[in-house]
Amino acid sequence: QVALKESGPVLLKATETLTVTCAVSGFSLSNAETGVTWIRQPPGKAPEWLAHIFFPKDEKYYTASLKTRLSISRDTSKSQVVLRMTHMDPVDTATYYCARIHNGPSGGWIDSWGQRTLVIV
Amino acid sequence: DIQMTQSPSTLSASVGDRVTITCRASQAIKSWLAWYQQRPGQAPKVLIYAASSLQSGVPPRFSGGGSGTEFTLTITNLQPEDFATYYCQQYNSFSSLTFGGGTKVEIK
Repeated sequence: QVALKESGPVLLKATETLTVTCAVSGFSLSNAETGVTWIRQPPGKAPEWLAHIFFPKDEKYYTASLKTRLSISRDTSKSQVVLRMTHMDPVDTATYYCARIHNGPSGGWIDSWGQRTLVIV
Repeated sequence: DIQMTQSPSTLSASVGDRVTITCRASQAIKSWLAWYQQRPGQAPKVLIYAASSLQSGVPPRFSGGGSGTEFTLTITNLQPEDFATYYCQQYNSFSSLTFGGGTKVEIK
């Protein structure tokens, strides 16, 4: 069964760097058919896509508005994907999700979401 | 970036009703659209992908349609567990995914 679980700090101060980790199970981070994506959702607002990484070549994509602040990477041995966001600001307060995203010609939709982690700046 | 506009933002309905939510894209996205349901305090859950393909395990009362720039999500015979917020998401390009603003389905 596919599962994803986020972990990271709940409270951050402005200008600090956010590091959130996504531990996955039930699928491989070497599987070319899927990738891992990060999405955030401010309180009461719609989800916002941040970044994703596809395997096995580590193809990375970032949302244009935050590209200079974001970094995504994977640790296959630990079945983890890590997202870093620098220069955190109170407007970055949101629930952060990692999720499994489909790859390939018909990919781009998300079939499994993590449990979420709330980040307050 | 492609903008996704959902309407209505709020919809009041009763159990047993048939409801339709619309999602419009700022440019053509073929059929690269997914629909998600989000209940309070939970992560979104995919209902429909490729505009009209029903995700495994999702009840057939949910259906999706459309292509290009206009899409619909229809729920027939609305059930109590269907009162939630619904989002569309376009995936025309891996370099830019965007969600609609959401439609909250409330009990009338």
